[in-house]
Amino acid sequence: GQQLNQSPQSMFIQEGEDVSMNCTSSSIFNTWLWYKQDPGEGPVLLIALYKAGELTSNGRLTAQFGITRKDSFLNISASIPSDVGIYFCAGPPGNTPLVFGKGTRLSVIA
Amino acid sequence: EAGVAQSPRYKIIEKRQSVAFWCNPISGHATLYWYQQILGQGPKLLIQFQNNGVVDDSQLPKDRFSAERLKGVDSTLKIQPAKLEDSAVYLCASSLTKSANYGYTFGSGTRLTVV
Repeated sequence: GQQLNQSPQSMFIQEGEDVSMNCTSSSIFNTWLWYKQDPGEGPVLLIALYKAGELTSNGRLTAQFGITRKDSFLNISASIPSDVGIYFCAGPPGNTPLVFGKGTRLSVIA
Repeated sequence: EAGVAQSPRYKIIEKRQSVAFWCNPISGHATLYWYQQILGQGPKLLIQFQNNGVVDDSQLPKDRFSAERLKGVDSTLKIQPAKLEDSAVYLCASSLTKSANYGYTFGSGTRLTVV
């Protein structure tokens, strides 16, 4: 089945640092979604992207829809302790339900 | 609006036993999904319902897993008999329509441990 590859798998950063992570696909996506999952909870939608090249922000989070439509990027600026969690990219390959990447686990050191 | 409700939150069973999970989606959401999330992985779709009909169950291990959404609202997912590899978090999600473009709302999940 369709796979989304996320990198890095995990990262440890100092509070106040900026974070970048990305997601790639072997096929074209028309929608990219970024979710965050806190421990013991379900994923929560952060940002949705619908057009190649689109840049969308949600507070300190900024995501980009790659120009090839096979990748997407998520940046977090000035990280804080509550940014800790697992970040997933997701998308529908065609007219199908969402598929998810394996996630990037973010740890913030105060 | 109330979110997606799931119960129980945790369940520990022995292998070969059976178990059932319950989900109540957001009111008015026609589409309901069950995802399995194994530790260290992203969620993987098991089954998609549109109202009370199955849209996609291609990844559901039908020899042991079953799911229903009889009145187009609540849903139950059952495993019988359970195997060790079924240990995972089972997430229920719902959306207003079948389109995935606006994302889904997830419940908090049921963490299953099979020993």
